[in-house]
Amino acid sequence: GENVEQHPSTLSVQEGDSAVIKCTYSDSASNYFPWYKQELGKGPQLIIDIRSNVGEKKDQRIAVTLNKTAKHFSLHITETQPEDSAVYFCAVYLDSWGKLQFGAGTQVVVTP
Amino acid sequence: EAGVTQFPSHSVIEKGQTVTLRCDPISGHDNLYWYRRVMGKEIKFLLHFVKESKQDESGMPNNRFLAERTGGTYSTLKVQPAELEDSGVYFCASSQSLAGKSEQFFGPGTRLTVL
Repeated sequence: GENVEQHPSTLSVQEGDSAVIKCTYSDSASNYFPWYKQELGKGPQLIIDIRSNVGEKKDQRIAVTLNKTAKHFSLHITETQPEDSAVYFCAVYLDSWGKLQFGAGTQVVVTP
Repeated sequence: EAGVTQFPSHSVIEKGQTVTLRCDPISGHDNLYWYRRVMGKEIKFLLHFVKESKQDESGMPNNRFLAERTGGTYSTLKVQPAELEDSGVYFCASSQSLAGKSEQFFGPGTRLTVL
């Protein structure tokens, strides 16, 4: 079955710096890769996603890159702000019915 | 529009007791998913309803877990009897499209502690 590994488990950055989180997956047939942000006391919320026919996607300060050959994808947050502090999860769709396989999560702390 | 709601937000029970978690999806969403995160590990899929039918329950840990979705609206997840390893945060998510790849909206989760 699919295996999703996420690194690092924790990430501390200074406000204004960039943060990068990396995930690898095992099933070369996987073709949809969402990223979720979970703030304290809330459920995960989709922040950006990428499909396998695209190499990079940007949305303001957030970008995701995908390398299908190497089977890894990354989340990039630029100009980090305190409100970016949260747990971030990468995920892979396992089937056409929306079943998700998540990474273990990255706790991001942005210090002023 | 109200989001996905879950009840209770926290539950502390003793080993051997029964607990029922409830999820109210976004109105009109046919797809309802249950996931669980245990001890800071990955969020794991438990099962998927399409309307009132179980599409996939391959992630259910064992027969102590029973999920229902009456009339295709809200869903309940019952754990009976609860064991220590059932502790974790249980998330419910819903999505609109029957194609399955539309955005999943998550509830805030129920934190279950089994003592």
